[in-house]
Amino acid sequence: AQKITQTQPGMFVQEKEAVTLDCTYDTSDQSYGLFWYKQPSSGEMIFLIYQGSYDEQNATEGRYSLNFQKARKSANLVISASQLGDSAMYFCAMREAPSGTYKYIFGTGTRLKVLA
Amino acid sequence: GAGVSQTPSNKVTEKGKYVELRCDPISGHTALYWYRQSLGQGPEFLIYFQGTGAADDSGLPNDRFFAVRPEGSVSTLKIQRTERGDSAMYLCASSSYRETSGANVLTFGAGSRLTVL
Repeated sequence: AQKITQTQPGMFVQEKEAVTLDCTYDTSDQSYGLFWYKQPSSGEMIFLIYQGSYDEQNATEGRYSLNFQKARKSANLVISASQLGDSAMYFCAMREAPSGTYKYIFGTGTRLKVLA
Repeated sequence: GAGVSQTPSNKVTEKGKYVELRCDPISGHTALYWYRQSLGQGPEFLIYFQGTGAADDSGLPNDRFFAVRPEGSVSTLKIQRTERGDSAMYLCASSSYRETSGANVLTFGAGSRLTVL
């Protein structure tokens, strides 16, 4: 069974500093995808970044990068140069590649607060 | 439409009543998902449609929950005999390939907040 674990219920970071949000996953599939979503207080889930299980390079998207360590089954999100607008809930998610289902499973999230 | 639209945005009902929540996905998106999110938790998978058919309904908690997508576009999540424990945000998402990411990415609606009194 799939499982996504986010062990940090809450994190604080000073504005302009970098922060790492942890995510570990469990799957028996060889082919899968890992995603990070941001959910501001307004509630709408916003896609941030994707990493495929076969991608050899870590994904980057602007200030977001994904520290992918396949052997450790971790996919940590790194936010550089934090901004006040980064304060939100962050969810790690995994999708198995075609093996019958395209179900996306989410972790419990990390609440990030950026301090001025 | 430009985004995923969910109606109503808020629904308050009494225990035992029947509720319908509607999702209008992005035009052309064939994959549609329903999730339930309780306060302080992550989205919990309910059901996934590929076109008109439910490809995976393993997340529906019991037979009081049912979803349809008769024409492969709009979907309705139906909850019978609502219970207080059904109170949550119900999120709908549709999926499409995003070339910049090289992956199928979920685009979510704003959600329907259900409160069962």
